[in-house]
Amino acid sequence: DGGITQSPKYLFRKEGQNVTLSCEQNLNHDAMYWYRQDPGQGLRLIYYSQIVNDFQKGDIAEGYSVSREKKESFPLTVTSAQKNPTAFYLCASSIQGVTETQYFGPGTRLLVL
Amino acid sequence: GENVEQHPSTLSVQEGDSAVIKCTYSDSASNYFPWYKQELGKGPQLIIDIRSNVGEKKDQRIAVTLNKTAKHFSLHITETQPEDSAVYFCAASMGGNQFYFGTGTSLTVIP
Repeated sequence: DGGITQSPKYLFRKEGQNVTLSCEQNLNHDAMYWYRQDPGQGLRLIYYSQIVNDFQKGDIAEGYSVSREKKESFPLTVTSAQKNPTAFYLCASSIQGVTETQYFGPGTRLLVL
Repeated sequence: GENVEQHPSTLSVQEGDSAVIKCTYSDSASNYFPWYKQELGKGPQLIIDIRSNVGEKKDQRIAVTLNKTAKHFSLHITETQPEDSAVYFCAASMGGNQFYFGTGTSLTVIP
């Protein structure tokens, strides 16, 4: 059953703590993305990766970090430098191409204790 | 950069009626326009998309129209059903990996 999985579904962060959100895909897609979704706002791009061991900053990369060691995995770390991390985080993937459809995972809701 | 505006932010329709959601974009270089449906607590699901070389596309009760001159595109849902209730997002892309999303429309279909 092909698709994108994200874990955990809910994540709680304490003050000053780094947390990592998991994103895995078995669609054999080259490109992967992380978006942040806040109430009443559109999706905003945090980071994206077109190929293993390479990634680029999106519009709101400050306070976040990523890695792309494997084609199927693109974890996102929310660092303590991100002062307002409470949001719904969405991972997506697509075939690498000129303009290709992005397919989304089910999301992770991050809450601050 | 590209700016996508979406209207209305909320929409209520009676079951069986039609629903129309409109988006405008600012960069004439945008050439791909997907629409996503997001149910509560879930990720967005692609429901239909259109490329700039096409003016209209239909898939059963869903259609999308594109007016490149006016730089706007619309989602049309006919014969609405309660299960159509969700948040709908439009997006625009000019190629590469950058998608620009609208702010979403919360559609409620009243039985």
